Amino acid sequence: AQTVTQSQPEMSVQEAETVTLSCTYDTSENNYYLFWYKQPPSRQMILVIRQEAYKQQNATENRFSVNFQKAAKSFSLKISDSQLGDTAMYFCAFMNPGLGSSNTGKLIFGQGTTLQVKP
Amino acid sequence: GAVVSQHPSRVICKSGTSVKIECRSLDFQATTMFWYRQFPKQSLMLMATSNEGSKATYEQGVEKDKFLINHASLTLSTLTVTSAHPEDSSFYICSSRSTDTQYFGPGTRLTVL
Repeated sequence: AQTVTQSQPEMSVQEAETVTLSCTYDTSENNYYLFWYKQPPSRQMILVIRQEAYKQQNATENRFSVNFQKAAKSFSLKISDSQLGDTAMYFCAFMNPGLGSSNTGKLIFGQGTTLQVKP
Repeated sequence: GAVVSQHPSRVICKSGTSVKIECRSLDFQATTMFWYRQFPKQSLMLMATSNEGSKATYEQGVEKDKFLINHASLTLSTLTVTSAHPEDSSFYICSSRSTDTQYFGPGTRLTVL
């Protein structure tokens, strides 16, 4: 069974600085997807970034980038130039797209990391 | 794109009554939708997978007779909490699958008195 681990329950960063959130996962699959979702105080889950395992290039979305290390099963999120609006709980998630009727595209979530951006 | 709505955003009901929560994918069709439950400061717990035109698949430990799921169209799934009790009070979130990504609704806060 796949598992996702976020070992940092809480983190803080000064506005405009850079912070990295850690995520490791365990799977025997070769083809899968990894995600970072953000949940601000409104509790709306927002997709931050998506990585396809077969792509070696790390995904980036503006100030957000990942360091995807497939062999090490590590998927960290780097937030550059942190802004107050980045304050949220961040979830790392794994999806095995699979094939056939048994494939539902379930997400396996980590425990979450609460990030506080300080002014 | 990939907008998912959820209604209502908040609901308060008396113990023993039933509550229906709707989840709609507004700009795409979703053959698969998901229902989660989340307690404060915790991760999302998958309750069930909703498949259009077929029965939902429930996770272990989730009572299918208590949490009724209907996925009657490619854009709408509903979760009905039947005979609600105070322990059912929680934040319920739905998501819709578009290709290989899940997009989430804004959630419903259920309070059972």
